[in-house]
Amino acid sequence: GNSVTQMEGPVTLSEEAFLTINCTYTATGYPSLFWYVQYPGEGLQLLLKATKADDKGSNKGFEATYRKETTSFHLEKGSVQVSDSAVYFCALSERPGGGADGLTFGKGTHLIIQP
Amino acid sequence: NAGVTQTPKFQVLKTGQSMTLQCAQDMNHNSMYWYRQDPGMGLRLIYYSASEGTTDKGEVPNGYNVSRLNKREFSLRLESAAPSQTSVYFCASSALIRDPYEQYFGPGTRLTVT
Repeated sequence: GNSVTQMEGPVTLSEEAFLTINCTYTATGYPSLFWYVQYPGEGLQLLLKATKADDKGSNKGFEATYRKETTSFHLEKGSVQVSDSAVYFCALSERPGGGADGLTFGKGTHLIIQP
Repeated sequence: NAGVTQTPKFQVLKTGQSMTLQCAQDMNHNSMYWYRQDPGMGLRLIYYSASEGTTDKGEVPNGYNVSRLNKREFSLRLESAAPSQTSVYFCASSALIRDPYEQYFGPGTRLTVT
């Protein structure tokens, strides 16, 4: 079956530090990959996505590159802000073959940015 | 355009009680989903509905039932609540069943079963 493994937190950084949150996956087919962000008390929001190998997803200064050879989709940001404090989820979905069967999520990484 | 809405936001039940969590979306999406979120577990799929009139089990369906009432609404029912069902429940919807698809999430329902 599919699975997503991501580093567990909390990850605590100072403002303007460089961020990397690792994510690796196992899938039987050719998945699409996603990063979702959850701010306190809210639902999940899509942060970025990539649909095929070597694609780079980017949004709000965050980037992640779909690496098929290492089955990874690491999230990076060059200079974090206090407002980036949230829980980040890596997720995948398989390509069509059986319909919409939901996303497979990692356990989430709690990011804390200190001023 | 409210997106995905869920009611209630909070609920406390006693063991054995029943309740229905409501979800509605106004984006004309075909597919809808119910997830539960537990500490250290991420989100796990309970049930999904690929299109109006169909429902399928996800990873953790035991103890739950669902109804796709129409294209907009997808409810989750707990017939006899248990403490193990204490969790935060999220409803989501997506436009397409073809890859890639993006899911839009509601704000969640925090359920406590005592």
